[in-house]
Amino acid sequence: GQQLNQSPQSMFIQEGEDVSMNCTSSSIFNTWLWYKQDPGEGPVLLIALYKAGELTSNGRLTAQFGITRKDSFLNISASIPSDVGIYFCAGHPDFGNEKLTFGTGTRLTIIP
Amino acid sequence: EPEVTQTPSHQVTQMGQEVILRCVPISNHLYFYWYRQILGQKVEFLVSFYNNEISEKSEIFDDQFSVERPDGSNFTLKIRSTKLEDSAMYFCASHRDPKETQYFGPGTRLLVL
Repeated sequence: GQQLNQSPQSMFIQEGEDVSMNCTSSSIFNTWLWYKQDPGEGPVLLIALYKAGELTSNGRLTAQFGITRKDSFLNISASIPSDVGIYFCAGHPDFGNEKLTFGTGTRLTIIP
Repeated sequence: EPEVTQTPSHQVTQMGQEVILRCVPISNHLYFYWYRQILGQKVEFLVSFYNNEISEKSEIFDDQFSVERPDGSNFTLKIRSTKLEDSAMYFCASHRDPKETQYFGPGTRLLVL
């Protein structure tokens, strides 16, 4: 089945730094979503991308749907302590297929 | 703001026992899902449900699993005879339309001993 690989697996950064993470697939995805998961909680949607090349912002977060439809990146600017958590990319590989395929996750830790 | 709710938040059970995990999707949603996340791993799709029947299921969703929408509000996942490897967080999700994003519940942490 389709797999989404995220990098890096984990990041340790200082508060105030910018963060960049990406997600790649060997096959085309028609939707890219970025979720954040706090410990013991369910994934919460951050940004949704629906068109190849689309660049979308949500506050300090910016995400892009790669032009090849096989990748996406998420940037966080000026990180703050509450950005700590695990970030997952997810997508719908096929139109009309509602199930989500999740990436392997990027764990973000912020050093005070 | 409406949200997906799940009960219980935690469940500990003995291997071989049956468990039922409950979800109340957002009230006007029509498409329902169960996902699971083994500790430290990614979220994996189990099953999708629409119009009172399963739309799709993954390889994980074998004969030990079943889903039901017994009334207009609840959506349940039953594991008939739990195994140690069923220990995971189980998330319910729903949306009104496949073009919309899915909303996830807070999860049920299942521990099989």
